[in-house]
Amino acid sequence: GAGVSQSPSNKVTEKGKDVELRCDPISGHTALYWYRQSLGQGLEFLIYFQGNSAPDKSGLPSDRFSAERTGGSVSTLTIQRTQQEDSAVYLCASSPGGHKGETQYFGPGTRLLVL
Amino acid sequence: GENVEQHPSTLSVQEGDSAVIKCTYSDSASNYFPWYKQELGKRPQLIIDIRSNVGEKKDQRIAVTLNKTAKHFSLHITETQPEDSAVYFCAASIDMYNNNDMRFGAGTRLTVKP
Repeated sequence: GAGVSQSPSNKVTEKGKDVELRCDPISGHTALYWYRQSLGQGLEFLIYFQGNSAPDKSGLPSDRFSAERTGGSVSTLTIQRTQQEDSAVYLCASSPGGHKGETQYFGPGTRLLVL
Repeated sequence: GENVEQHPSTLSVQEGDSAVIKCTYSDSASNYFPWYKQELGKRPQLIIDIRSNVGEKKDQRIAVTLNKTAKHFSLHITETQPEDSAVYFCAASIDMYNNNDMRFGAGTRLTVKP
């Protein structure tokens, strides 16, 4: 079946503008994660959604970052008033949740460049 | 929370040699340890995982070992090939419902020279 998809694949924006990044998880997966990966760096956890539970926002670096997950499926990560240090690849992942283990399946990422 | 450290950060081997990447974790309750491979410009993909009820798992040229007492686990790649060149991430978490304790290592950039 279809894997995790993300859009756009690339986004170039000017400093100070807002951006929205979209993630479509694997159908039926209840858990959804957002990560940030700066050039040559590891995976920085941002936010986690599990079913109808309140999201874990503990990884969001500032109040300019927010995310929503509508209907338990599609998620949108919003970055307001973008800064140059926000430039990175934003990866979304989903997992089955429940007691099926925590293998995460990653999307292709959105490469964000803030000029 | 969980803290995962990964070594080395870069590793260069000759084609045909073995490569070993090591990770340590801090939370003794962690019981699920996946490894991801990320080729340049692509998404991380799961290559192998191990759960704490086993000490070793092998899949063709890839093997993972786990030492729960010492809280470390390792990825072993034998007979390396140029297509093994990528960044490898380890991770650790507690496999339970509604868990978000998975944390990733910083990654190891493996280069296999032909």
